Amino acid sequence: AQTVTQSQPEMSVQEAETVTLSCTYDTSESDYYLFWYKQPPSRQMILVIRQEAYKQQNATENRFSVNFQKAAKSFSLKISDSQLGDAAMYFCAYRSRQGGSEKLVFGKGTKLTVNP
Amino acid sequence: ETGVTQTPRHLVMGMTNKKSLKCEQHLGHNAMYWYKQSAKKPLELMFVYSLEERVENNSVPSRFSPECPNSSHLFLHLHTLQPEDSALYLCASSPVSSGRGEQFFGPGTRLTVL
Repeated sequence: AQTVTQSQPEMSVQEAETVTLSCTYDTSESDYYLFWYKQPPSRQMILVIRQEAYKQQNATENRFSVNFQKAAKSFSLKISDSQLGDAAMYFCAYRSRQGGSEKLVFGKGTKLTVNP
Repeated sequence: ETGVTQTPRHLVMGMTNKKSLKCEQHLGHNAMYWYKQSAKKPLELMFVYSLEERVENNSVPSRFSPECPNSSHLFLHLHTLQPEDSALYLCASSPVSSGRGEQFFGPGTRLTVL
């Protein structure tokens, strides 16, 4: 079974600085999706960034980028120029592309605090 | 309204009550999901509906009963719940065949069982 591990329950960063959130996963599949979701306090979970495993190039979305290391099964999220609005729970998630499965497997999350 | 909506946003119920959670998606998707989010635990997938048919039920107790009358609506019927069922219940939707893989989430219903 696929598992997703986020080893940092909490992280903090100074406004305008850069922070990296870690995620590792376990799978025997070769083709899959990886995601980072953001859940602000009392607000909706939203997609931050996605990565398809067959793509070697790391995904980027404005200030958010990933470091995808397929062999190491590592998928870290880098937030540059951190803003107060980035404070949230961040969840790493895995989705299989095989067998028509629609299931997302989530990590436990990392709580990010942004200090002014 | 756009996106995925959930009602009610907050619900307090006794163990003998019967209540229902409602989810509606306005994205034209044809797969819908119920997740349970408890403190200190990963999101737990409860049910998956694809093209209005239940395709996955992750060993959820029978006191939770899903219903998907059409591709836009999903319900979670609750009865005889336990205090440990208190959690945030999230609904999500996705297009089955988009190839992009992501799911879109509603704001959740915060459930407290007394």
